[in-house]
Amino acid sequence: GQNIDQPTEMTATEGAIVQINCTYQTSGFNGLFWYQQHAGEAPTFLSYNVLDGLEEKGRFSSFLSRSKGYSYLLLKELQMKDSASYLCAVMDSNYQLIWGAGTKLIIKP
Amino acid sequence: GAVVSQHPSWVICKSGTSVKIECRSLDFQATTMFWYRQFPKQSLMLMATSNEGSKATYEQGVEKDKFLINHASLTLSTLTVTSAHPEDSSFYICSASTGDTEAFFGQGTRLTVV
Repeated sequence: GQNIDQPTEMTATEGAIVQINCTYQTSGFNGLFWYQQHAGEAPTFLSYNVLDGLEEKGRFSSFLSRSKGYSYLLLKELQMKDSASYLCAVMDSNYQLIWGAGTKLIIKP
Repeated sequence: GAVVSQHPSWVICKSGTSVKIECRSLDFQATTMFWYRQFPKQSLMLMATSNEGSKATYEQGVEKDKFLINHASLTLSTLTVTSAHPEDSSFYICSASTGDTEAFFGQGTRLTVV
């Protein structure tokens, strides 16, 4: 079956760095997405990785290792507004998105 | 980036009535649109995938007669919740794809059936 695993909840301190991991097992691979979702809102696209390596975009970076079925989202210089759920999703061979359950990130002052 | 507009943002309806949710791609042609629902504290759940001009493909357990999806053009897909009941209250989200691999999300619609 298809499976996406990510931690349920993480806590970090304002100004610090946090890494949210995601492992996946899917039928085919056409890219991995990270989304941010604040409570009651639709997810917002953060990043897309289809090749191995690190993609940096401002305070957020995303890493992918296809051979390991592994990705992480790195958030630097954490701000209180970064408190949200972070969703990992993989597009399979049928171009359907397989979603993880999301990681709730709590930022403390 | 590409913009997907979903309307309405929220709706309250009486039990037994039908509700239509629209999803529009504003600046690109969406060959494929996806409809999701999300219950509180749960992950997004794919309901159906629609390709322009053809019937939607529903996920297992999703009633196609209750959740009517129409993808009549490359910029518009609609989801109609027919004979809505309180258990249909949820957050409905659409996303659109150009045929490349990135998918863009609408703002979501919070449906409350009373």
